[in-house]
Amino acid sequence: ETGVTQTPRHLVMGMTNKKSLKCEQHLGHNAMYWYKQSAKKPLELMFVYSLEERVENNSVPSRFSPECPNSSHLFLHLHTLQPEDSALYLCASSQEMAPNEKLFFGSGTQLSVL
Amino acid sequence: AQSVAQPEDQVNVAEGNPLTVKCTYSVSGNPYLFWYVQYPNRGLQFLLKYITGDNLVKGSYGFEAEFNKSQTSFHLKKPSALVSDSALYFCAVSDNTNAGKSTFGDGTTLTVKP
Repeated sequence: ETGVTQTPRHLVMGMTNKKSLKCEQHLGHNAMYWYKQSAKKPLELMFVYSLEERVENNSVPSRFSPECPNSSHLFLHLHTLQPEDSALYLCASSQEMAPNEKLFFGSGTQLSVL
Repeated sequence: AQSVAQPEDQVNVAEGNPLTVKCTYSVSGNPYLFWYVQYPNRGLQFLLKYITGDNLVKGSYGFEAEFNKSQTSFHLKKPSALVSDSALYFCAVSDNTNAGKSTFGDGTTLTVKP
């Protein structure tokens, strides 16, 4: 158990649906991240929040919308997704947003877009 | 720009034999190097990291890694493999010019056979 909890574990949605992924950490960390893990591809950093402010948006399509209401919670709002968005979405946190900090990952949400 | 290469998609070893999972990197500044492990249907778990100092780093579950600056490598090793070590292993790098934004390798699947 890493201390980072993601819900739901699995999600199937149609291309016209709107859904949200939730991430929660009670480690007292100040930085939170969304990663996308697709088969046969390296982990892709999507968004980074530090002290609840977004500091990174790696050219992610607008159909993905993050929200960080406080330092313990992170959401990823999804709408009008495409089948190629099907992947494992991983949330992570670290004490600070610093290059020497290790990441604590949740178990991920396996997303299937039909 | 920073990058990581894990040249082997798959590594197979017999239980009790030593194992090595290879990683090479490229960064602009001083490197911070990490190894993570991912078991099926789980998120990534931190194994060990190199920040500075001793080139041989010891981590969880008996794993260790050796930082080699001249070869820009950070290979993961274990003297005696266990069947339970079978998993997907990721090398990651960051540097002081790119705070909090680790770049991950493609991953190497380690299979330990009894």
